[in-house]
Amino acid sequence: GAVVSQHPSWVICKSGTSVKIECRSLDFQATTMFWYRQFPKQSLMLMATSNEGSKATYEQGVEKDKFLINHASLTLSTLTVTSAHPEDSSFYICSARSVADTQYFGPGTRLTVL
Amino acid sequence: SQQGEEDPQALSIQEGENATMNCSYKTSINNLQWYRQNSGRGLVHLILIRSNEREKHSGRLRVTLDTSKKSSSLLITASRAADTASYFCATGDGGATNKLIFGTGTLLAVQP
Repeated sequence: GAVVSQHPSWVICKSGTSVKIECRSLDFQATTMFWYRQFPKQSLMLMATSNEGSKATYEQGVEKDKFLINHASLTLSTLTVTSAHPEDSSFYICSARSVADTQYFGPGTRLTVL
Repeated sequence: SQQGEEDPQALSIQEGENATMNCSYKTSINNLQWYRQNSGRGLVHLILIRSNEREKHSGRLRVTLDTSKKSSSLLITASRAADTASYFCATGDGGATNKLIFGTGTLLAVQP
């Protein structure tokens, strides 16, 4: 199947700093990418839909000023967690949508905010 | 928000046995997909079934969909220890982005 990468795999940062996570589709172009977060032993919660060349669409309850999304090209979307706090610690996973409606997921980024 | 629930929440079986996981959802869908996730990893797409399909096979996987009951099941036959993972169903609305909403997941443990 198609390959989606995320960088970094894990990051530890101090409270108040901002963290950028990259999501890349390596062998296909994705006009739509998605960002999820997952707490331990829980399911994936959709945070936002990232559309190439336009603003992201955020799910209810997700602060757009807190989680900045940029989809500057057909193969790259970035999620920036601004002024991170310990409660933002989570596993963040991106996916890229293929033309066949299948989503291919990245390996995830584990964020720990001290 | 989560679309629906899966049951059981956790399942432990012996190698060689079959594993069945069920998924229920709440709204109309265009498609339903099953994914697996190994601990601390990303998700791997297993199979997609569209709302006008009732059953689909892929290797040792068999998926059924009953839109009248808003439910789906995933059957893994002749399970292996390597099948140990969490399994999630996700419903797609088939819209411009086909946004997926995930179920609660089933943790499958296959004992060797």
